[in-house]
Amino acid sequence: AQSVTQPDIHITVSEGASLELRCNYSYGATPYLFWYVQSPGQGLQLLLKYFSGDTLVQGIKGFEAEFKRSQSSFNLRKPSVHWSDAAEYFCAVGAGSGNTPLVFGKGTRLSVIA
Amino acid sequence: GAVVSQHPSRVICKSGTSVKIECRSLDFQATTMFWYRQFPKQSLMLMATSNEGSKATYEQGVEKDKFLINHASLTLSTLTVTSAHPEDSSFYICSARPAGYTFGSGTRLTVV
Repeated sequence: AQSVTQPDIHITVSEGASLELRCNYSYGATPYLFWYVQSPGQGLQLLLKYFSGDTLVQGIKGFEAEFKRSQSSFNLRKPSVHWSDAAEYFCAVGAGSGNTPLVFGKGTRLSVIA
Repeated sequence: GAVVSQHPSRVICKSGTSVKIECRSLDFQATTMFWYRQFPKQSLMLMATSNEGSKATYEQGVEKDKFLINHASLTLSTLTVTSAHPEDSSFYICSARPAGYTFGSGTRLTVV
């Protein structure tokens, strides 16, 4: 069965500092990988996704993620964090087609300090 | 792009009443709909999978008689929380295929 591990429950970074959120997945076939962001009381916003092609994926809001098959990882990065980036971040894995649901990690809460 | 419209966005209901949540695919045919639940400060957990014209498949621990899912058409799926209780207060969100995984905007249910 597919699964996602986000090892960091909570991360605090200074505004302007770089950020890396870790995500490891377990999936038997070619994974379809996602990062979502959720602000308090809000729905999900898709940051980026990967299915095939270039393993470095660019997303919205200056985020990028790199797929590393050998490490079963899909870490999210941002070179310079803004206070508005404070939110909950979810990594998820699914399939390119069919009835496989998206499976989410437990999330990483990002706090940004001045 | 693909859009799923979910209503209502927020609902407050009294304990013991039923609440219906709708998800409509606006520009594609949703052959499969996934329903998720998110308790405060937790992740999204799959409740059930529904395919158009078929009975929904529920995840272990989800009461199928309490959470009624109807997917009678390719553009509409509904989740009805029957005899709601305060412990059902949660964020419910749908996700449709085959347009990738297109999510609705979610419904925040509060049972008082």
